[in-house]
Amino acid sequence: GAGVSQSPSNKVTEKGKDVELRCDPISGHTALYWYRQSLGQGLEFLIYFQGNSAPDKSGLPSDRFSAERTGGSVSTLTIQRTQQEDSAVYLCASSLQGVTQPQHFGDGTRLSIL
Amino acid sequence: QQPVQSPQAVILREGEDAVINCSSSKALYSVHWYRQKHGEAPVFLMILLKGGEQKGHEKISASFNEKKQQSSLYLTTSQLSYSGTYFCGTVDSGGSNYKLTFGKGTLLTVNP
Repeated sequence: GAGVSQSPSNKVTEKGKDVELRCDPISGHTALYWYRQSLGQGLEFLIYFQGNSAPDKSGLPSDRFSAERTGGSVSTLTIQRTQQEDSAVYLCASSLQGVTQPQHFGDGTRLSIL
Repeated sequence: QQPVQSPQAVILREGEDAVINCSSSKALYSVHWYRQKHGEAPVFLMILLKGGEQKGHEKISASFNEKKQQSSLYLTTSQLSYSGTYFCGTVDSGGSNYKLTFGKGTLLTVNP
């Protein structure tokens, strides 16, 4: 079946612009995660959605970052007034439920801020 | 708190074995292992849960020492396809049961 789909795969934008990154999880997966991966680094947790529960936003690095998940499916991560330090690969993952189940990752969006 | 992985990098010849370790300063509920090849998404390898349950691929073996708050991934008779960066992710006991905190990764290179 289809895996986790992310778009765009690459995004280059100027400092100060807003960007939207999209994630389409595997059908039936109730848990959705966003991570950030900087060059040569591990995966930094950003935000978690589980079903209709309030999301855990504890990993968002600043109030310029926000995310939503509509209808329990597609999620959008928005970065406002982008800064150069926002440059990274943004990965989305979904799982059936919580962390007792494997996470399935999308190919990520490579974001470059000029 | 981010788990600590060791070694940071390892180079093997095909057929050799390797062990990758993951250590946490906190009591753990579970440990996940993922492999990421350059330019690709991380791929699930194994979950080890408190109490001994494991979920993962048959050809992958790992251990979870709850008392020592450590996990090890065992790669035996390595193949070229094993090359990549291995990440462990930990879930703390008593905390939220959904948040994975990943280590910085171990770069494994298998040469012919």
